[in-house]
Amino acid sequence: GAVVSQHPSRVICKSGTSVKIECRSLDFQATTMFWYRQFPKKSLMLMATSNEGSKATYEQGVEKDKFLINHASLTLSTLTVTSAHPEDSSFYICSARDWGQGVEAFFGQGTRLTVV
Amino acid sequence: AQSVTQPDIHITVSEGASLELRCNYSYGATPYLFWYVQSPGQGLQLLLKYFSGDTLVQGIKGFEAEFKRSQSSFNLRKPSVHWSDAAEYFCAVVDNYGQNFVFGPGTRLSVLP
Repeated sequence: GAVVSQHPSRVICKSGTSVKIECRSLDFQATTMFWYRQFPKKSLMLMATSNEGSKATYEQGVEKDKFLINHASLTLSTLTVTSAHPEDSSFYICSARDWGQGVEAFFGQGTRLTVV
Repeated sequence: AQSVTQPDIHITVSEGASLELRCNYSYGATPYLFWYVQSPGQGLQLLLKYFSGDTLVQGIKGFEAEFKRSQSSFNLRKPSVHWSDAAEYFCAVVDNYGQNFVFGPGTRLSVLP
């Protein structure tokens, strides 16, 4: 099956700094990538959808200036949490879809972000 | 807008017992349906999916799910649970336009030895 690699798996950063999370599709071209946030013992909350070469579409309530998403190539999308604060600490998961292959999306392993 | 409910927040079963996790969706047409499993601190692994055709679908790890249009349900089953099945299970739907996944709240499965 298709593989999505997310890096890093864990990151600790100081409050006020920025951190970048990468999401790569290893064996397919991801025309669309999704970024989710998951709070402890909760379901996945869609943050934004990005199509290659286009600006990301953010869900209501998600600050686009804080969560910068770049999808510059068909195999890589990045989420940058800018000026991170402790309340940004969470589990972030990406998923990728190749529209030519249908609606199924493939998920990365997730990134545990801790802001201290 | 479509929605997904998983009525059971937490289920505990004994190892070797059968399992059924419930999933109901709200959508006018037949959506694409998925079940995912998540171990602590991990991403999501696809167990099985339903797009069309036979309403009983087989997945990995001995799981199966049955789509029932009349009940708007897509329940996940396993005849004999193993301790390694302890995890969080998410039901998800995608509408016919293939837009975003909508996830249910999840069901946490605990397995007693």
